Amino acid sequence: SQELEQSPQSLIVQEGKNLTINCTSSKTLYGLYWYKQKYGEGLIFLMMLQKGGEEKSHEKITAKLDEKKQQSSLHITASQPSHAGIYLCGADPATGNQFYFGTGTSLTVIP
Amino acid sequence: GAGVSQTPSNKVTEKGKYVELRCDPISGHTALYWYRQSLGQGPEFLIYFQGTGAADDSGLPNDRFFAVRPEGSVSTLKIQRTERGDSAVYLCASSYLPRTGELFFGEGSRLTVL
Repeated sequence: SQELEQSPQSLIVQEGKNLTINCTSSKTLYGLYWYKQKYGEGLIFLMMLQKGGEEKSHEKITAKLDEKKQQSSLHITASQPSHAGIYLCGADPATGNQFYFGTGTSLTVIP
Repeated sequence: GAGVSQTPSNKVTEKGKYVELRCDPISGHTALYWYRQSLGQGPEFLIYFQGTGAADDSGLPNDRFFAVRPEGSVSTLKIQRTERGDSAVYLCASSYLPRTGELFFGEGSRLTVL
């Protein structure tokens, strides 16, 4: 969706390095979700952020939502090959039921 | 089943043919979504069901696309007179609560229209 822009579009990192993926909206977000997709598979839910300034962590992945609720970042510490895949942010619509997704960030981790 | 099941996993058809894609959501999940994903893109919303009714079908690209969920469980996405531009992965997702972004996705049905 053009309403959620992700950057970078793709990322190649050496195993053990840290990295950050960004998700930006032109509108205030009611709920921001991070998903991971491996090639040929469906999306796997990672985390949900709803409050401005909120931060959540799961294992080596940390996600934050800014105070204005228009930008989120996903940070991976000490990346591993198992982190490789496509990371997608998604958001609740202000009205209706069109839960929508960003453009995706493809992550490659080189052993 | 334990997760969302989609069949077929792969479908190759000729332009102009009719196609049905099936989604079996997680038992007890009342909300069901269909998305379409093209290579290098994020999933594009097609339709949302709450129970048996299509609560939001605003993402269906045209009247060749139709989806049903007659008993509030299994859903079928139907595409008439397929075109090459319909080639994509069609993803189905379900959730226990309505209007939540915590969705459980199937592995998708890859449609190729020749």
